[in-house]
Amino acid sequence: AQSVSQHNHHVILSEAASLELGCNYSYGGTVNLFWYVQYPGQHLQLLLKYFSGDPLVKGIKGFEAEFIKSKFSFNLRKPSVQWSDTAEYFCAVTSGTYKYIFGTGTRLKVLA
Amino acid sequence: KAGVTQTPRYLIKTRGQQVTLSCSPISGHRSVSWYQQTPGQGLQFLFEYFSETQRNKGNFPGRFSGRQFSNSRSEMNVSTLELGDSALYLCASSSDPQSTDTQYFGPGTRLTVL
Repeated sequence: AQSVSQHNHHVILSEAASLELGCNYSYGGTVNLFWYVQYPGQHLQLLLKYFSGDPLVKGIKGFEAEFIKSKFSFNLRKPSVQWSDTAEYFCAVTSGTYKYIFGTGTRLKVLA
Repeated sequence: KAGVTQTPRYLIKTRGQQVTLSCSPISGHRSVSWYQQTPGQGLQFLFEYFSETQRNKGNFPGRFSGRQFSNSRSEMNVSTLELGDSALYLCASSSDPQSTDTQYFGPGTRLTVL
């Protein structure tokens, strides 16, 4: 069965620190990969997605993610976090079945 | 364009009761998905509807059911509620039937089962 693993459940960083959140999936076929973010009190919204082409994708607010097929990974990165990046981040995968599999989420707290 | 709306926003029920949650997708969106969100479990996929047809279903018991109407609005029903059904239920809509499409989430319905 497909699964998505987010190994970092809670991350605390100071402003201006670099961020990398891990995401690994288990599925051998073609996948589509997503990162969603849920800011406090707000709806889940898309940060970025990958379905083909350049494996380095850029999203909103300076976030980027790299798809490494050989490692079944789609890690999220940001070179310098801000206090406003405090949120919960979810990695998700689909494989053409219209069924999204989400990870358990990573809560990021950025200290001002 | 109005976003995804869900009603009610909060519900308190007791064990054994049933509940119906409603979701109105963004205008023009024909795909509606439902998720259960609980701390530590993340979002778990319940089912997805497109043009009134259930295209995919997650690993939930038959007590969880749903439907979609011709105007794309969707409802999900949970019968014989259990304490473990307490969760935030999220609805998401998308415009295109491809699995690469972005999902737009509603605010959720917070269900508490006592």
